[in-house]
Amino acid sequence: GAGVSQSPRYKVTKRGQDVALRCDPISGHVSLYWYRQALGQGPEFLTYFNYEAQQDKSGLPNDRFSAERPEGSISTLTIQRTEQRDSAMYRCASSQRVPSGRTNTQYFGPGTRLTVL
Amino acid sequence: DAKTTQPNSMESNEEEPVHLPCNHSTISGTDYIHWYRQLPSQGPEYVIHGLTSNVNNRMASLAIAEDRKSSTLILHRATLRDAAVYYCILKGDQFYFGTGTSLTVIP
Repeated sequence: GAGVSQSPRYKVTKRGQDVALRCDPISGHVSLYWYRQALGQGPEFLTYFNYEAQQDKSGLPNDRFSAERPEGSISTLTIQRTEQRDSAMYRCASSQRVPSGRTNTQYFGPGTRLTVL
Repeated sequence: DAKTTQPNSMESNEEEPVHLPCNHSTISGTDYIHWYRQLPSQGPEYVIHGLTSNVNNRMASLAIAEDRKSSTLILHRATLRDAAVYYCILKGDQFYFGTGTSLTVIP
């Protein structure tokens, strides 16, 4: 079946503009995660949802970053007033079950490469 | 979340076994140990996970120390396609990836 998809795959924007990054999880997956990955580093957790509820947003760097998943499926990560330091690969992942301290394999999308000029 | 420690890089000859170590001395009793890998220009992909017992699947084996403070991912015969960054992760409410081990496979 279809995996996690993200759009756009590449986004170039000017400093100060807002951007919206979209994630379409695997159908039926309950949990959805957002990560940011700088070159040469591992993915850095940003936030995650169970269904439409945002469970943890402790990884969001500041209040310019927000995420939503209004119908429990597609999610949007929005960055307002972008800065050059926001340039990175933004990855989305989904998993089948609510994380409960037990295992839940995460399936990652191809990512969106954001470049802020 | 408890953290893990992995070597920054390792090398292996093609078709030889590879043992990738991970230390997680602050692991809690309910933390599962997960391994993911990230091939160049791709997103991370699941490799294997375990709690207490050693685990095997088609990709790899996971050996977990009796005190659970360390684990080892074993690739039985490294191929060039196994060249990737391997992440050892303890499952909490979120995944903390760290910087992982970059595996180079030498033909």
